[in-house]
Amino acid sequence: QKEVEQDPGPLSVPEGAIVSLNCTYSNSAFQYFMWYRQYSRKGPELLMYTYSSGNKEDGRFTAQVDKSSKYISLFIRDSQPSDSATYLCAMSDPIKDSSYKLIFGSGTRLLVRP
Amino acid sequence: DSGVTQTPKHLITATGQRVTLRCSPRSGDLSVYWYQQSLDQGLQFLIQYYNGEERAKGNILERFSAQQFPDLHSELNLSSLELGDSALYFCASSLGQGNQPQHFGDGTRLSIL
Repeated sequence: QKEVEQDPGPLSVPEGAIVSLNCTYSNSAFQYFMWYRQYSRKGPELLMYTYSSGNKEDGRFTAQVDKSSKYISLFIRDSQPSDSATYLCAMSDPIKDSSYKLIFGSGTRLLVRP
Repeated sequence: DSGVTQTPKHLITATGQRVTLRCSPRSGDLSVYWYQQSLDQGLQFLIQYYNGEERAKGNILERFSAQQFPDLHSELNLSSLELGDSALYFCASSLGQGNQPQHFGDGTRLSIL
């Protein structure tokens, strides 16, 4: 079983819809939770960075963390065709001596139809 | 633009060869991380350097090595290349070595023929 599970999609929604993307994880040592967006032939772009359980909002994006359920979500309001990309959740895993590595989900492909 | 620069963008070579991938971190960032992205394995952490010193290793093969230079740029060396090494290789950087946001470059696509 993978440490981070993410539905690969694809998820197809009409423009203007609210999109919900989710990840579950098994390792309670994970400390920080991130969402990255990756366009084709580009590197992952950091969208959201959160630590504690609860919600964090940035424009049309809301990240939600539930540590007790080991579940994180990303909501996109008023989705646009330009939001079409692969969304990767990532979690920081402590290694040693204050170093961390990121553990990524497999990514969910999102398509927003005009 | 994340500020992380990777060169070359695309590399095509043959089995058994050796290649070097280069990464310049964002201005002010001291940590550099290397990741491999393949279709079957997703994004996997390879190695981290902080201010010139190796800090952590992940699933990095013995045929692979890296270093970070005094100007903080980093190179990933891949040798005795195999078909299975074909992948996207990403570099990320962060301000420190601790739990801080990592910003990624656009990667080097390595194709082994």
